[in-house]
Parts: sequence; structure tokens; C-alpha cells
Amino acid sequence: NAGVTQTPKFQVLKTGQSMTLQCAQDMNHEYMSWYRQDPGMGLRLIHYSVGAGITDQGEVPNGYNVSRSTTEDFPLRLLSAAPSQTSVYFCASSYRGGEEKLFFGSGTQLSVL
Amino acid sequence: GENVGLHLPTLSVQEGDNSIINCAYSNSASDYFIWYKQESGKGPQFIIDIRSNMDKRQGQRVTVLLNKTVKHLSLQIAATQPGDSAVYFCAESTGFQKLVFGTGTRLLVSP
Repeated sequence: NAGVTQTPKFQVLKTGQSMTLQCAQDMNHEYMSWYRQDPGMGLRLIHYSVGAGITDQGEVPNGYNVSRSTTEDFPLRLLSAAPSQTSVYFCASSYRGGEEKLFFGSGTQLSVL
Repeated sequence: GENVGLHLPTLSVQEGDNSIINCAYSNSASDYFIWYKQESGKGPQFIIDIRSNMDKRQGQRVTVLLNKTVKHLSLQIAATQPGDSAVYFCAESTGFQKLVFGTGTRLLVSP
């Protein structure tokens, strides 16, 4: 199993541009989520999904959109990038019964200029 | 992804020593706690967990201790190895998708 795969690993955007961060998992996990990691702060939850077709907001959802059309994929869309969205983004998945035992991808380092 | 990095507390140990990483949590209602390890350029990796009805839990070379009276969690790593060098995060939870992560401690292991 590849686990949780994120692409791209690095991205530079200009303010106002939009882009999609891709996330795929091959473990048949029901739950998927997106976190951002900023210096001096813990990981913060952006959006999560409990299954295909079901998404919900986390702690810091503004400026981001998600959808879950399949069990495997959970893309994160930045609608209009802002410098405050410069961060490292992690996608994670987990299984029913072990919801908090997150399996993380290797991250996307995003810079918004 | 890069580790959260600029001003992380750092614990430096010699190879073979035992390491103790501490974490103070904030919510007395938290009933589940997890330790994650994050190596440079990688995502966090689950190490060990403990529920609030326990005081201690042991894994392979790792032990987690929970003191609910003072809201303190610790991770003990026995016979620390260079491969243990990483940033370690504690996380507390009061329920599904209510994980709150700490800011992390960097562990540096010298040969």
C-alpha cells in the first residue's frame, strides 16, 4: 500500500490564484481530513469527511473548499490564494474505530506571494 | 513538508540514553491522547495512544504516562537511537475530529 499520497510536494502561487491540492489513500479508510501546519502552532483542522459525499468544516475552513466523490480521493481547493495561506498542508485518513489514529501524507509546502 | 521549526523546545540526548518528552494539555474533558512523531520532510506518524482511564501504556521502547491531576502527558523513549531524532507532538481529543495538537518538541540524538 502507498498509504496517503499528496501532490504536489511544493507549490508557489501568486495572490488571487486558485489551485487544488490532491490527496489519495489506498487503505479504504472512511475518514479523511486536511490540516495545515504553521510555525509555532499545532496542526489545525481545515475540513474533513466521514465518507464519500459527506464533508464538514474544521477549525480553519475559510478560503478552502473540499469534495469527496470517492472513498479514495479528497482534494483541497484554494479558491483565491492569500499570503496567509502560506503553510504546509497535510492530508490524513483514518478508519472507523480508530478515528483519531491519523495516517498522514508527506505534505504540500505552499507559498503564496 | 518541513517541520514546525523556528522556536521549538529541543531535547538533546546521547544515543542509548532514555528520553522523556513532556506535554501539558489544556482541556480537563479530554479523554484520549496520542503521540505523533514527525521526521524532517515527512508527515506525522502515530506512535502510541492512551485513554483517560489509564495512567500508563507501553509500546515497543516507548511508554506514555498520563497524570490527569495536573493535566500532564509524557513520552518516554528507552535506549534512544539516532533514528528517533524528530519532532514529537502530543494531541488531546474530546471526540471525533476534535483533536488538538501541541506545538511539538524536537528530539536530537547524538551518536
